[in-house]
Amino acid sequence: QQQVKQSPQSLIVQKGGISIINCAYENTAFDYFPWYQQFPGKGPALLIAIRPDVSEKKEGRFTISFNKSAKQFSLHIMDSQPGDSATYFCAASRDQAGTALIFGKGTTLSVSS
Amino acid sequence: GAGVSQSPSNKVTEKGKDVELRCDPISGHTALYWYRQSLGQGLEFLIYFQGNSAPDKSGLPSDRFSAERTGGSVSTLTIQRTQQEDSAVYLCASSLGTRGYEQYFGPGTRLTVT
Repeated sequence: QQQVKQSPQSLIVQKGGISIINCAYENTAFDYFPWYQQFPGKGPALLIAIRPDVSEKKEGRFTISFNKSAKQFSLHIMDSQPGDSATYFCAASRDQAGTALIFGKGTTLSVSS
Repeated sequence: GAGVSQSPSNKVTEKGKDVELRCDPISGHTALYWYRQSLGQGLEFLIYFQGNSAPDKSGLPSDRFSAERTGGSVSTLTIQRTQQEDSAVYLCASSLGTRGYEQYFGPGTRLTVT
């Protein structure tokens, strides 16, 4: 049973456009929702994260929107750049003290110049 | 400072052989995680170590998989009698015990079973 569903699987965006990646979760016990960015041959790197007590968090060009009632959250990349081309994973965690992250299957973003 | 390191970066082995993958976490991080990333799939949790507590092995796919962590630092993931379906990238992550939700990943070991 997949607990975090991510879409789309791949995304092509023009330089300067907005990239939007969506995730949905099932377990209401999840209380931490990070996004990871992964470049080819590298491990995933934490990009931005949100907790369910806020509806939006912004860091530079990256924004997470969170809808607790719908059990959905999304990543918006404003002014997308070719350097943003990577695979993005959403994830969810049950416990702040450190348990396994449950990951979505990833979205491959390609930003064309 | 140094990040999470893993070795080897690539491993090719024959079906039926045993392999050992090594992870060296960030100094001071008490929590260590192993994940598996298969082509087109997300990251699949395998095992979690926190300090001196018993590890959470709930993600190990079969009894051919085992891991240990010596001295609360370096960890070794062992796969016995490898199968072709074991081919994947094995990722290690570490975190501070109090901030386990912020996990820092190593570059991974790409395992190919022929």
